[in-house]
Amino acid sequence: ETGVTQTPRHLVMGMTNKKSLKCEQHLGHNAMYWYKQSAKKPLELMFVYSLEERVENNSVPSRFSPECPNSSHLFLHLHTLQPEDSALYLCASSQDYYRFLLNTGELFFGEGSRLTVL
Amino acid sequence: DQQVKQNSPSLSVQEGRISILNCDYTNSMFDYFLWYKKYPAEGPTFLISISSIKDKNEDGRFTVFLNKSAKHLSLHIVPSQPGDSAVYFCAASKGSGNTGKLIFGQGTTLQVKP
Repeated sequence: ETGVTQTPRHLVMGMTNKKSLKCEQHLGHNAMYWYKQSAKKPLELMFVYSLEERVENNSVPSRFSPECPNSSHLFLHLHTLQPEDSALYLCASSQDYYRFLLNTGELFFGEGSRLTVL
Repeated sequence: DQQVKQNSPSLSVQEGRISILNCDYTNSMFDYFLWYKKYPAEGPTFLISISSIKDKNEDGRFTVFLNKSAKHLSLHIVPSQPGDSAVYFCAASKGSGNTGKLIFGQGTTLQVKP
């Protein structure tokens, strides 16, 4: 079992649908992240939660809505998406966000959720 | 404005030879750099890192070199193995905030031929 688990692995949705991506980490980490990976583009940071508080929102459109009910779970709620939102959405965790380099200084990623918006 | 750039989208090398993956950055405030490796259908995994107080860090077959004046880093894999075939991402962190906010490059696909 991987330390960071994402479901579903694949999702196809219409532009008017509402769906959610789920991430769970079993590492006892305090920080969780959503990244977007589009073809031939860098991994883009979307949101960061530290101790269940949102600490980063990288100018992400409101059709993406994150939720972090506890330090082990992270959701990305999707509503009225556009075809250009089709991408691989990666969840990650780290021991801490604010003292990142005092720990291992690395992110632990899940396997990603491949989203296709029709 | 892309702050971390990997200008070679792909690289192909023969098994046993050296693989050199390059990364350039524009922000002089970056002071910690990481390399991640990603296999298809898997998430990226941490490979090696380097602090800006060093110019080299070695871990087995993997060595990262940092040239601060040129704002350039490279990952050397010696000897390359077919299992090294993957996408390699360079990432950078601004140490002044000491946060987990990493800025990634777009990745280089490495193919190691048997």
